Amino acid sequence: ETGVTQSPTHLIKTRGQQVTLRCSSQSGHNTVSWYQQALGQGPQFIFQYYREEENGRGNFPPRFSGLQFPNYSSELNVNALELDDSALYLCASSLRDRGRNEQFFGPGTRLTVL
Amino acid sequence: DQQVKQNSPSLSVQEGRISILNCDYTNSMFDYFLWYKKYPAEGPTFLISISSIKDKNEDGRFTVFLNKSAKHLSLHIVPSQPGDSAVYFCAEKFTDKLIFGTGTRLQVFP
Repeated sequence: ETGVTQSPTHLIKTRGQQVTLRCSSQSGHNTVSWYQQALGQGPQFIFQYYREEENGRGNFPPRFSGLQFPNYSSELNVNALELDDSALYLCASSLRDRGRNEQFFGPGTRLTVL
Repeated sequence: DQQVKQNSPSLSVQEGRISILNCDYTNSMFDYFLWYKKYPAEGPTFLISISSIKDKNEDGRFTVFLNKSAKHLSLHIVPSQPGDSAVYFCAEKFTDKLIFGTGTRLQVFP
């Protein structure tokens, strides 16, 4: 069974640029959630995708957007990067249909905005 | 606004003793609470969960207690091992999202 993978591991961007982060969900999972973890904080929910549709969104501006593909992998796109976007971005996959509660996380992508 | 609070940023425990990590919450309309462990450079790893209809759940060395009247839950690790040294997050599952606390860094020393 393949776990959740994310790419790239690290990324450095400058203010105003755009970035795309990628996530492959665990085998058999149909739901992907994205979280932002700032230094010294817990992960904060950005949004969730289920069967290629956005299924819930946290308190993040529209410049944070996402996609889920038919194979359940996902992308997080951030436009017009700001310094405060520097954080660890975590992807988590889960199997929603069976009412399971656990979300399984990938190792994250460390984004630095200069 | 749902909030989950872990008021102790760090905890140091001797190997073999009990580790108790605490979490307080404000929202009574939750489905589940979950505990995650996080090592540096890794994503959070699921440990144990508890539903709103229970007050205790046990899995090996890990036990979670839920006190709904006090809006408080705790994670007990017995006996503590050096490999348990990590940051522990409690998380509330509300609809389909997880709301995390700020974490407690546990250090288990020999």
